[in-house]
Amino acid sequence: DAGVIQSPRHEVTEMGQEVTLRCKPISGHDYLFWYRQTMMRGLELLIYFNNNVPIDDSGMPEDRFSAKMPNASFSTLKIQPSEPRDSAVYFCASSRQGNYGYTFGSGTRLTVV
Amino acid sequence: ELKVEQNPLFLSMQEGKNYTIYCNYSTTSDRLYWYRQDPGKSLESLFVLLSNGAVKQEGRLMASLDTKARLSTLHITAAVHDLSATYFCAVDMGAYNAGNMLTFGGGTRLMVKP
Repeated sequence: DAGVIQSPRHEVTEMGQEVTLRCKPISGHDYLFWYRQTMMRGLELLIYFNNNVPIDDSGMPEDRFSAKMPNASFSTLKIQPSEPRDSAVYFCASSRQGNYGYTFGSGTRLTVV
Repeated sequence: ELKVEQNPLFLSMQEGKNYTIYCNYSTTSDRLYWYRQDPGKSLESLFVLLSNGAVKQEGRLMASLDTKARLSTLHITAAVHDLSATYFCAVDMGAYNAGNMLTFGGGTRLMVKP
């Protein structure tokens, strides 16, 4: 099992550009979570999916953020337009109903200049 | 709203010493997790505590859960440099047998000095 796979590992972009982060959950996991980690705010849940359906997006900071999960093996988090305050590490995690805890991906470090 | 608070936020300790990290949470739950994060790395699961009085141990780390006090502790025994990392507790507020809904504490950054 390759674990939760995120890409890219690092992304540097200019303010105003569109950024897309990608995640492949562990096969068979039916929950997928997007978290953002910053020094100031710690780990924040942005959105989570169950069986590819968004269940709770109340943590998405504003309309510039959107997330999709077109199938069980792929999810994207998009920021358009990006701003410097979006700079953070974005983690994807997955879990399976009946299991305990998450498996985290390696994260994407986003820098918006 | 569930709040999860860890203390201390930063801990510098000498090798060989013992110390305890505390995790307090504001709403009833009997599922609590501890994760470790090395600098620039992802979060790695350490312990899963699923009931009041649960105790888990792995090497020099021991975690416990008191659901009545809404408190979990992570005890470090005879610290070594390799334990230097940031430790997070997370409380699960999701429904049983459903996907986990974890709320994380702010983390405790541990530095173990020779």
